[in-house]
This record gives sequence, C-alpha cells and structure tokens, in this order.
Amino acid sequence: LGVTQSPSASASLGESVKVTCTVTGGLSSYAIAWHQQHPEKGPRYLMKINSDGSHTRGDGIPDRFSGSSSGLDRYLIISSLQSDDEADYYCQTWASDTPMVFGSGTKVTVL
Amino acid sequence: HLLESGGGLAQPGGSLRLSCEASGFIFNEFAMNWVRQAPGKGLEWVSVIYKGGTTTYYEDSVRGRFTISRDDSKNTLYLLMTSLRVQDTAVYYCVKGSGGSYVWGQGTTVTVS
Repeated sequence: LGVTQSPSASASLGESVKVTCTVTGGLSSYAIAWHQQHPEKGPRYLMKINSDGSHTRGDGIPDRFSGSSSGLDRYLIISSLQSDDEADYYCQTWASDTPMVFGSGTKVTVL
Repeated sequence: HLLESGGGLAQPGGSLRLSCEASGFIFNEFAMNWVRQAPGKGLEWVSVIYKGGTTTYYEDSVRGRFTISRDDSKNTLYLLMTSLRVQDTAVYYCVKGSGGSYVWGQGTTVTVS
C-alpha cells in the first residue's frame, strides 16, 4: 500500500489549484489524509478524504480547503489561493501495521 | 497541544530519549506516533503505540533499535533511540491520532554525527 503525488502544482493568486494523490497497491475504498507544511515549519493536518469524496477538515482549517475522490485518486482542492498557501502538501494513507504511509509531497506555488 | 523535547547531538552508536508531553485532550484514549523528516526530505513514519500501550509497530529501519512507550499518568510519549546512525538525523515529530485524524507537535531535532 502506498500513495503517489506529482512533485509540483501551481496556480495564480485568487484562483484554484487541485493536488492529486493516487492510492497504489490498495483498494479504491481507501481513505487518505492531507497535511500542509510551510518551509522550516512543522506539518499541520488539513483533512481526511474518504473514497466517496466526503471529507472532514481539521480544527481551524478554512473551507477554502476541500477534497474529492475518483477511483484511486484523492484530490486536495484549494480555492481562492492566498500567498500563505504556498507550501508542501503531503498525502498519507494507512494500513493495519503501517499507520502512516506518506507520499513524497507536492510543492504548491502561488503565481 | 504536543511538546517534544530530548533532541540533540549524539554520536553514531549512541542513544537519545525523546519525550512528547501532551495536553488539551484525554491522552490515554489515543494512538500516538513518531514521524521524522531528514534534512531536505519528506515525512517518514517511525513508530506507533496504541491506547493501552501494549500494541506497537515500527518502521523497518528502526525496529530493534528504537522503543516507543507511553506513560498515561504523565500524559507523555517517549521514543528511546539506541544504536543511532547518521541516517537517523532528522526532525522528530510527535503525532496524535490514527485513521485519518491527527495533531502534530512542533518537532525536536536529532543530529547524529
């Protein structure tokens, strides 16, 4: 079981960006979580996305951050992009004996 | 809130014990993890301890060298790291939760050199 992410994504200030995470070696029913990390800062949990696209945000996460699903793909959608959204975004899934399996991260650039 | 401590400089083959003091939630009801990030690299899960303290899992490269434990009376998570290697150099984060809901600590830096 693993997750793969594209290394980078970008969009203009005020626009939307869609970051993709693909679940590999598992079932299409797998849920994932997204974490945000600004440079030189610790990560912050953003949300959980279920296979049906329903999602649950962490405490204090604005609704500009949303999620969706399609097959094995899980998406993080950031709307009304702000300069502070420029960060690394990590996708993560889990299995019974490996509770946190991370992707390699996607660097989001705000143009 | 999660506050890690215990990081520092260690020699190869040496030992360190990390601590993570928790507050603001019922500590004994949650699984707790350690996750690390080597300089310039991504996130790597290290170990988990489930509530009750009897079930633990480790990443392959640390199994047999690291020991995770918890003291629910002190709301504290530990990671005893022995036989340290240069490759263990990283920021170590304490992470509350499992199954898609998490809270991160701010991290403590371990340098093995």
